[in-house]
Amino acid sequence: GAGVSQSPSNKVTEKGKDVELRCDPISGHTALYWYRQSLGQGLEFLIYFQGNSAPDKSGLPSDRFSAERTGGSVSTLTIQRTQQEDSAVYLCASSPKFERGGLYEQYFGPGTRLTVT
Amino acid sequence: RKEVEQDPGPFNVPEGATVAFNCTYSNSASQSFFWYRQDCRKEPKLLMSVYSSGNEDGRFTAQLNRASQYISLLIRDSKLSDSATYLCVVNRDSNYQLIWGAGTKLIIKP
Repeated sequence: GAGVSQSPSNKVTEKGKDVELRCDPISGHTALYWYRQSLGQGLEFLIYFQGNSAPDKSGLPSDRFSAERTGGSVSTLTIQRTQQEDSAVYLCASSPKFERGGLYEQYFGPGTRLTVT
Repeated sequence: RKEVEQDPGPFNVPEGATVAFNCTYSNSASQSFFWYRQDCRKEPKLLMSVYSSGNEDGRFTAQLNRASQYISLLIRDSKLSDSATYLCVVNRDSNYQLIWGAGTKLIIKP
């Protein structure tokens, strides 16, 4: 079946511009995560959505970052007034659900490579 | 100190050899542990979960040492296709947030 898809695959933008990154999770997956990964670094948690619950936004690095998930499916990560330090690969992952005491495998999309010039 | 630490490598290993690397974590309340594999410019993919009693999947063996707070990954009879970055992943406390190590780069040479 279809995996997690992300668009665009690459985005080059000028400093100060806004960007929107899109994630289509696997159908039926209730949990959705956004991460970013800088070159040679581990994944940095940004935000988590689970069903209709309020999202966990604790990982968002500044108020320039926001995300929404419409209809429990597609998610959009928006970065306003982009800075050069925002350059990274932005990865989206989905999983069937999280249950306390257990974690389900996260399935990742191919990522969006963002370059801020 | 980072919550999850890994030797970045690279580990240069001849084909057919056995290689092992560790990952240390700082939160003693962590309950879930994983090894993910990430190929160059690709997304991470789950290699294996790590269970308390240790577990094996073909050529791969994962171990957990709670007392010393580390997990390990052993790869036997290494193949060229094992070349990748191996990411250690630990959950934060008992919630859904996963903390990712920066990865250990493994290069298998013919």
